[in-house]
Amino acid sequence: QKEVEQNSGPLSVPEGAIASLNCTYSDRGSQSFFWYRQYSGKSPELIMSIYSNGDKEDGRFTAQLNKASQYVSLLIRDSQPSDSATYLCAVNDMRFGAGTRLTVKP
Amino acid sequence: EAQVTQNPRYLITVTGKKLTVTCSQNMNHEYMSWYRQDPGLGLRQIYYSMNVEVTDKGDVPEGYKVSRKEKRNFPLILESPSPNQTSLYFCASTFTGPPTDTQYFGPGTRLTVL
Repeated sequence: QKEVEQNSGPLSVPEGAIASLNCTYSDRGSQSFFWYRQYSGKSPELIMSIYSNGDKEDGRFTAQLNKASQYVSLLIRDSQPSDSATYLCAVNDMRFGAGTRLTVKP
Repeated sequence: EAQVTQNPRYLITVTGKKLTVTCSQNMNHEYMSWYRQDPGLGLRQIYYSMNVEVTDKGDVPEGYKVSRKEKRNFPLILESPSPNQTSLYFCASTFTGPPTDTQYFGPGTRLTVL
């Protein structure tokens, strides 16, 4: 079992819809969780971090953490074509999932 | 401008020819890392450094060396590259929060070993 697993996708949503990205992790003692966005040919950039159970909102992005279920998700509301990228989940900021490719269609 | 730089950006080499990929950050961060990114496998940490002269193995250290003689620089050394080291490499520098830890990635080095 991989330490950090993400739906490989690709995930396609229409413009204006909510995109939901999911991530599970195996180390129950993990304390910090991150979502990175990586455009094609570019380096990853941090968009959200979450440390406590529950929701954390930042603009159109909401990260959700459930440590009991070892699950973290990222919701993107009002998705825009510029959100089309690969989204990487990271645990403790150095164990990464393989990423989910998101395409937002105009 | 706060940034992490890597050189070279692209490199094609042959098996066994020693190479070094340089990494430099101007943010005075103590923690730096090297990753490789391969399709379907995501980012995997090769080595990390918590401060000058302090380095440790990540998840995939075999075939790589690093050094940290000064805070800003963290070069990655491949003493005898092999084709299975063909990959996209990222150097990263971490700001340790609050409010949050933030990892800044360099632009990447695409390495091909023939």
